Amino acid sequence: GQNIDQPTEMTATEGAIVQINCTYQTSGFNGLFWYQQHAGEAPTFLSYNVLDGLEEKGRFSSFLSRSKGYSYLLLKELQMKDSASYLCAVMDSNYQLIWGAGTKLIIKP
Amino acid sequence: IAGITQAPTSQILAAGRRMTLRCTQDMRHNAMYWYRQDLGLGLRLIHYSNTAGTTGKGEVPDGYSVSRANTDDFPLTLASAVPSQTSVYFCASSPDTPDTQYFGPGTRLTVL
Repeated sequence: GQNIDQPTEMTATEGAIVQINCTYQTSGFNGLFWYQQHAGEAPTFLSYNVLDGLEEKGRFSSFLSRSKGYSYLLLKELQMKDSASYLCAVMDSNYQLIWGAGTKLIIKP
Repeated sequence: IAGITQAPTSQILAAGRRMTLRCTQDMRHNAMYWYRQDLGLGLRLIHYSNTAGTTGKGEVPDGYSVSRANTDDFPLTLASAVPSQTSVYFCASSPDTPDTQYFGPGTRLTVL
């Protein structure tokens, strides 16, 4: 079956760096997405990786290793507004997104 | 309208009733999607449409139907609601398939 695994919850301190991991097993691979979802709101797009390596976008970076079925989202200089859930999703061979359950990130002052 | 809108924002429904959730986008995106989000689970695809006039089944289509008469609208219908359909429903769209998906604000549905 298809499976996306990510930690349920993480806690970090304001100003620090946090890495959220995602491992996947899917039928085919057509890219990996990270979304941010604040409580009670819609998911919003953060990043997309289809080739191995690191993609940097401001304070957020996303890494992909296709051979290991692994990705991480790196958040630097954490701010209180970064408290949210972070969703990992893989596009499978049918071009449908398979979603992880999300990682709830709690930022403490 | 800017982006994707969904209506209603929330709804409490008696089991057995028929309900249509509305979704409209003004971005001229070809593809649209309906997901449900339940606590502890990832988003699950209910139905999708790659272009106006076509629809397809996702991971959890039973009990739901959709139509795509035009580019902008993609309503989701529950023919006879059951308590297990209590969930938050998100509509999304993307310029094409495959592509980045953009989400509406969601509809919180409670079936009693």
